[in-house]
Amino acid sequence: QKEVEQNSGPLSVPEGAIASLNCTYSDRGSQSFFWYRQYSGKSPELIMSIYSNGDKEDGRFTAQLNKASQYVSLLIRDSQPSDSATYLCAVNLAGGSGGSYIPTFGRGTSLIVHP
Amino acid sequence: SQTIHQWPATLVQPVGSPLSLECTVEGTSNPNLYWYRQAAGRGLQLLFYSVGIGQISSEVPQNLSASRPQDRQFILSSKKLLLSDSGFYLCALRLAGLYEQYFGPGTRLTVT
Repeated sequence: QKEVEQNSGPLSVPEGAIASLNCTYSDRGSQSFFWYRQYSGKSPELIMSIYSNGDKEDGRFTAQLNKASQYVSLLIRDSQPSDSATYLCAVNLAGGSGGSYIPTFGRGTSLIVHP
Repeated sequence: SQTIHQWPATLVQPVGSPLSLECTVEGTSNPNLYWYRQAAGRGLQLLFYSVGIGQISSEVPQNLSASRPQDRQFILSSKKLLLSDSGFYLCALRLAGLYEQYFGPGTRLTVT
């Protein structure tokens, strides 16, 4: 059974700090990886996707993928109170020549950025 | 860019009543469409997905059903709601050739 594990948190960081969110997955054949942000009472919003080992940067966000260790992480630099939300990790077998288009989601990590 | 509409935004229904939630998509053709449920304090549960008109795959056997009568319309239904059907219902799409999913605004259902 495919599993995606995240620490539920809450992870509390001061404003301006780096928030580090981690996710591990069980299926070694996974090819595509996503981070979603979900504000309380709202739907998930895609913020990052990553397909290759290494780092991918987009503004204050950096996604890191290590397929050998089967983990993916999200770094948020210069954290702001508006970053306070639940962050969902999603992993998909698709991304290569085959696989399904049904991602497996983690339960999410709650991030609190305090002023 | 694509837009996902869901209605209603909130719904309160008694146990045993029927349900119909609608999801419509603009700005794209032939998307894969998905219904998820997120119960309070829990993760996303995939309920149904569709790769085309009339094509529905069920992930979880339960008292819900789904239909896709048009390319950009996805409907979630129930004949008799249970208390356990309460939750946040999310429609999502995947564009052809891509792997990312995008979510609609959701419908919050409370069964009383």
